[in-house]
Amino acid sequence: SQTIHQWPATLVQPVGSPLSLECTVEGTSNPNLYWYRQAAGRGLQLLFYSVGIGQISSEVPQNLSASRPQDRQFILSSKKLLLSDSGFYLCAWSVSDNNQPQHFGDGTRLSIL
Amino acid sequence: QKEVEQNSGPLSVPEGAIASLNCTYSDRVSQSFFWYRQYSGKSPELIMSIYSNGDKEDGRFTAQLNKASQYVSLLIRDSQPSDSATYLCADYNAGNMLTFGGGTRLMVKP
Repeated sequence: SQTIHQWPATLVQPVGSPLSLECTVEGTSNPNLYWYRQAAGRGLQLLFYSVGIGQISSEVPQNLSASRPQDRQFILSSKKLLLSDSGFYLCAWSVSDNNQPQHFGDGTRLSIL
Repeated sequence: QKEVEQNSGPLSVPEGAIASLNCTYSDRVSQSFFWYRQYSGKSPELIMSIYSNGDKEDGRFTAQLNKASQYVSLLIRDSQPSDSATYLCADYNAGNMLTFGGGTRLMVKP
């Protein structure tokens, strides 16, 4: 069966520091991969998605970036964090066929001080 | 902007009752619809998928889809306190992107 791993579970970072969140998927090949952010009490905001290695689409312009160095690895990065980057970051995967559901990792709760 | 709308709640039901969660969507070409459950502080978990008009049942859960009215609902029978969570509705729009509603918070009182 397929599993998705996301780490770390929680992270406290100072303003202006860099960020690297990692997500890996097991048990499937060529998945679509997604990064979402959920602010406290709010809905899901799609940040990036990828349909293949090195292919990244950005949904929201901001100081975050994403990379997909391997088929089942998706990384979310920032060079300098802002206070507004606080939130719950979720990685998700789906099979590459259209109209298939997405499956989420456990998430990373990021607090910026 | 294609949207998925949900009443934010909270929807409060007594234990053992039927909880009815509703969702409307704006994209007429949407083909696939999903319900996710999200416990406080946790990630969303897929609980139902529905692709055709009508009802789809899975245990205590029934998803209902009416494409003509652009309406999808989730019924939870014999609601339990453990069902207390936020329920997210989502659809795939013409751009093949999953669009989520804001979620409905359900509270099941013992």
